[in-house]
Amino acid sequence: NAGVTQTPKFQVLKTGQSMTLQCAQDMNHEYMSWYRQDPGMGLRLIHYSVGAGITDQGEVPNGYNVSRSTTEDFPLRLLSAAPSQTSVYFCASSFQRNTEAFFGQGTRLTVV
Amino acid sequence: KQEVTQIPAALSVPEGENLVLNCSFTDSAIYNLQWFRQDPGKGLTSLLLIQSSQREQTSGRLNASLDKSSGRSTLYIAASQPGDSATYLCAPCTGTASKLTFGTGTRLQVTL
Repeated sequence: NAGVTQTPKFQVLKTGQSMTLQCAQDMNHEYMSWYRQDPGMGLRLIHYSVGAGITDQGEVPNGYNVSRSTTEDFPLRLLSAAPSQTSVYFCASSFQRNTEAFFGQGTRLTVV
Repeated sequence: KQEVTQIPAALSVPEGENLVLNCSFTDSAIYNLQWFRQDPGKGLTSLLLIQSSQREQTSGRLNASLDKSSGRSTLYIAASQPGDSATYLCAPCTGTASKLTFGTGTRLQVTL
């Protein structure tokens, strides 16, 4: 099993550009989520989904959009990138909410 | 709001030592607590998950305990090895979002 796969691994954007971070899992997990990790801070929840067609906001949702059209995929969209969005982004999945979470390898994003 | 503190922030021990990593959290209404390791530039690897009804969970040389009422968890690593060098993160799971709240972790170095 590939587990949770994130692409790309690295990305540099200019301020104002948009992009989509991809996340896919092959474990038939219902629950998926996005976190960002910044130096000196713990990971913070951006958005989450409890199943296909259902998404909700986490702790720091501003500037990000998500959708969940399939069980496998949960892309994160940056609408208009800002330097404050420079971070490492992690996607996670679990069989259901409140079960063991599995994380992808992360996407390191730099906005200049 | 859940807050997580991990002590110590950094730890260096010689190979073979047994060690304890501490995690405290402010909101005891948790579903479970998960311990992860993170290698530099990598994603999070799940080590152990303790349900709120459990007191301990073991996997190989790792043993995690949970005292939900006092908001504490410990990760015990027996007979440490250089390959254990990593940052260890604890994350209690709370709320309708099944949000994992992370501290900044304990950075462990095991020397030869």
